[in-house]
Amino acid sequence: GENVEQHPSTLSVQEGDSAVIKCTYSDSASNYFPWYKQELGKGPQLIIDIRSNVGEKKDQRIAVTLNKTAKHFSLHITETQPEDSAVYFCAASYSGGGADGLTFGKGTHLIIQP
Amino acid sequence: AAGVIQSPRHLIKEKRETATLKCYPIPRHDTVYWYQQGPGQDPQFLISFYEKMQSDKGSIPDRFSAQQFSDYHSELNMSSLELGDSALYFCASSFRTGGNEKLFFGSGTQLSVL
Repeated sequence: GENVEQHPSTLSVQEGDSAVIKCTYSDSASNYFPWYKQELGKGPQLIIDIRSNVGEKKDQRIAVTLNKTAKHFSLHITETQPEDSAVYFCAASYSGGGADGLTFGKGTHLIIQP
Repeated sequence: AAGVIQSPRHLIKEKRETATLKCYPIPRHDTVYWYQQGPGQDPQFLISFYEKMQSDKGSIPDRFSAQQFSDYHSELNMSSLELGDSALYFCASSFRTGGNEKLFFGSGTQLSVL
């Protein structure tokens, strides 16, 4: 089955700086890669996703890049703000017209220092 | 916009008791997923249903069962509860027929087994 590795497990950055979280996946058949933000006591919230036929996607301060050959994908957050503090999960799945169970990374606790 | 609704929000049970968790997907969504998240852990996929039929099965114990009803809501039934079943249980939904892989999560049910 799919295995997703995520690094780092904890990331502390100064407010206004950029944050980068990296993930690798094992199954070359995986073609859908979402990122979720989870705040304490809440469910994971989808913040951005990318499919394997695209190398990069951006939404305001958030961007995701995908290197399909290397099986790497990364989340980039620019101009970080205190409300960005949360646990971020990457995930991967094979989506043949619909997603079956996502395989999640172990999560990154992002701390924004004021 | 309507989100995924889960009930109850919190549940306390004794060992060997049974529990039923309910999930109401986003309107028009035809696929429901169940995940288990232990403290400080990533969500683990349990089971999914598409159009009321089991679609995919993950690490769901034999003591657990689930189904999706005609109105697309789903229930996770857990029997012979063990201390290790204490976790956050999330339901997510998607619109698979529309070819949309995006999963949207509910706020979860916090199950505590004493």
